[in-house]
Amino acid sequence: NAGVTQTPKFQVLKTGQSMTLQCAQDMNHEYMSWYRQDPGMGLRLIHYSVGAGITDQGEVPNGYNVSRSTTEDFPLRLLSAAPSQTSVYFCASSTGTSGPQETQYFGPGTRLLVL
Amino acid sequence: KQEVTQIPAALSVPEGENLVLNCSFTDSAIYNLQWFRQDPGKGLTSLLLIQSSQREQTSGRLNASLDKSSGRSTLYIAASQPGDSATYLCAVGDYKLSFGAGTTVTVRA
Repeated sequence: NAGVTQTPKFQVLKTGQSMTLQCAQDMNHEYMSWYRQDPGMGLRLIHYSVGAGITDQGEVPNGYNVSRSTTEDFPLRLLSAAPSQTSVYFCASSTGTSGPQETQYFGPGTRLLVL
Repeated sequence: KQEVTQIPAALSVPEGENLVLNCSFTDSAIYNLQWFRQDPGKGLTSLLLIQSSQREQTSGRLNASLDKSSGRSTLYIAASQPGDSATYLCAVGDYKLSFGAGTTVTVRA
């Protein structure tokens, strides 16, 4: 198993540009989520999904869109990038079968710089 | 809103010393608490998960305790090694985790 994979590893955008951060998992996990990590702060939840076709907002959803058409993939879209979205983005997944008492598996992250 | 705090933000110890990392949270109604390790430029690796009904979990040199009534968890790492140098994050919640900012540990050889 490759686990949770994220692409790209690093991206530079100009203000106003759009892009999609890719996240995929090959563990047949139902639950997937996106977090952002900023210096001196803990990870903050952006969006999450409890299964294909089901998504919901987390703590900091503004400026981001998600969709979940398959179990494996959970892309994060930035519609119009802003410098405040400069951050490291992490995707995570868990089986979803045992409820909240589950370990979450994290991808290696995508570093995004918005100029 | 759940607030998670980790103090200190950084810690430097000589090799062989035991490490004690602290985590506090404001809402005691938690499903579980997880401790993660993050190496520079890398993702998070889960170390220990303590369910809300448990008081501690152990894995090798690592032991984590949970006191819901006081809103605290402690991660103990016995006989630290230079390879233990990393940032340690605690997180509480169900599917939606609330994270502390982490404690960056340096173990000096």
